[in-house]
Amino acid sequence: GAVVSQHPSRVICKSGTSVKIECRSLDFQATTMFWYRQFPKQSLMLMATSNEGSKATYEQGVEKDKFLINHASLTLSTLTVTSAHPEDSSFYICSAGPTSVETQYFGPGTRLLVL
Amino acid sequence: AQSVTQLGSHVSVSEGALVLLRCNYSSSVPPYLFWYVQYPNQGLQLLLKYTTGATLVKGINGFEAEFKKSETSFHLTKPSAHMSDAAEYFCAVSSNTGGFKTIFGAGTRLFVKA
Repeated sequence: GAVVSQHPSRVICKSGTSVKIECRSLDFQATTMFWYRQFPKQSLMLMATSNEGSKATYEQGVEKDKFLINHASLTLSTLTVTSAHPEDSSFYICSAGPTSVETQYFGPGTRLLVL
Repeated sequence: AQSVTQLGSHVSVSEGALVLLRCNYSSSVPPYLFWYVQYPNQGLQLLLKYTTGATLVKGINGFEAEFKKSETSFHLTKPSAHMSDAAEYFCAVSSNTGGFKTIFGAGTRLFVKA
C-alpha cells in the first residue's frame, strides 16, 4: 500500500519558537493532503486541507497564521507551528491519498511538546 | 455535512469473545466508511473500508463490518478477540464530494481480558 512519512517523529521545543513538521508521500503523488491534531485520549480533529500549488483550507476555529501550511510539491506538505505555546502540545498526523482514490493513508504522526 | 458517532468510549471483552464496536454515521451524500486502529503513540492503520458494492466488508486481522444504509450504521465485529486487539478504534466517514476529507468518531478503547 501507499506510504506516508512524517518528520520528525517527536520534537520538544521552547515556548515562543516555531516548529516545522514535514509530511511526505513516498510512492505516490498527492495533490491534497490533510493535517489532523489529536489530543491525549481523544479523536483526530481535522485542522486543514493542504492543496498543492494553492492556499490551504482551514477548518473553523483553526488559526491559519499560527499553523502555516505549505504544499510545495506533489509529495511534500509542511505544517509550521509558529510561536508555539504549551497548549499547542499535541500529536499531529497528516494523511494523503493518490488522486481519485478515496482512501487516505496516514503518516505515523509527530509528537510535539512545547515547554 | 458528515458526522460519526461511536457508541461506547470503552468496551471490554474476554479473550475469545465476540468483539462488537458500534458506529453510526450521518451523511447527506453517499458515504465512504472506514475503521482504523491506533496503538499507543502510533499513527492510524486501516482495518477496512466500504465505498460501494458489497455491504459486508472484510478487513485485516479477522475484522469485518457491515454497511446498513437503513440504520446508518457501520458496526465493526470480530468473532474471537485476541489480546493483541487491545487498542483504540476509530470509525470515520468521507465522500468524494467532500474532497475525501475524513471525519472521525470519538474513538472506542477496546480492552481484552485474559
